[in-house]
Amino acid sequence: GQNIDQPTEMTATEGAIVQINCTYQTSGFNGLFWYQQHAGEAPTFLSYNVLDGLEEKGRFSSFLSRSKGYSYLLLKELQMKDSASYLCAPSDDDYKLSFGAGTTVTVRA
Amino acid sequence: NAGVTQTPKFRILKIGQSMTLQCTQDMNHNYMYWYRQDPGMGLKLIYYSVGAGITDKGEVPNGYNVSRSTTEDFPLRLELAAPSQTSVYFCASSYSGTDTQYFGPGTRLTVL
Repeated sequence: GQNIDQPTEMTATEGAIVQINCTYQTSGFNGLFWYQQHAGEAPTFLSYNVLDGLEEKGRFSSFLSRSKGYSYLLLKELQMKDSASYLCAPSDDDYKLSFGAGTTVTVRA
Repeated sequence: NAGVTQTPKFRILKIGQSMTLQCTQDMNHNYMYWYRQDPGMGLKLIYYSVGAGITDKGEVPNGYNVSRSTTEDFPLRLELAAPSQTSVYFCASSYSGTDTQYFGPGTRLTVL
């Protein structure tokens, strides 16, 4: 099976920066997705990396190192609405996603 | 576009009952997926389909069945409900295997 490791919880202050790390081992690799999931809601797409390097989208950035099996999601200028679970999901050689358990980010005023 | 819709939103079943969770997408996506999410756990893939008439097992298929007779619909069938199937079920769709998956709002199922 696949192995995805990310921290369970992180807490940060409004306006701060938080980095969520994810390490993975998959059968083949076809890119890595990050999803955001608010409590009681469905996951929604944040970012996708298939090549090494940093992808920036507004306040959110995602980094990938394929050789190290490592990715991170960077959340800048944190807002209260960013309190949610963040799911790391690498895609295997059959293009199926495996999801980590998620990192719950709590933003405090 | 409504996106991905799921019915029902909530359901309580007794052990041994059967039910079908409905999923429909109006984005003309080829790929459709069923996941379950247990508290504190990642989403687990139950079944998926790469097009009408084609289905395949995911990581946790036991106790479930699917069919894909049209591009739009991908129902999930539970034949003999067990307490271990208490979970939140999400349906998702994507245009291809490398594209973003869009999720429905989920069905919260309790088996007592």
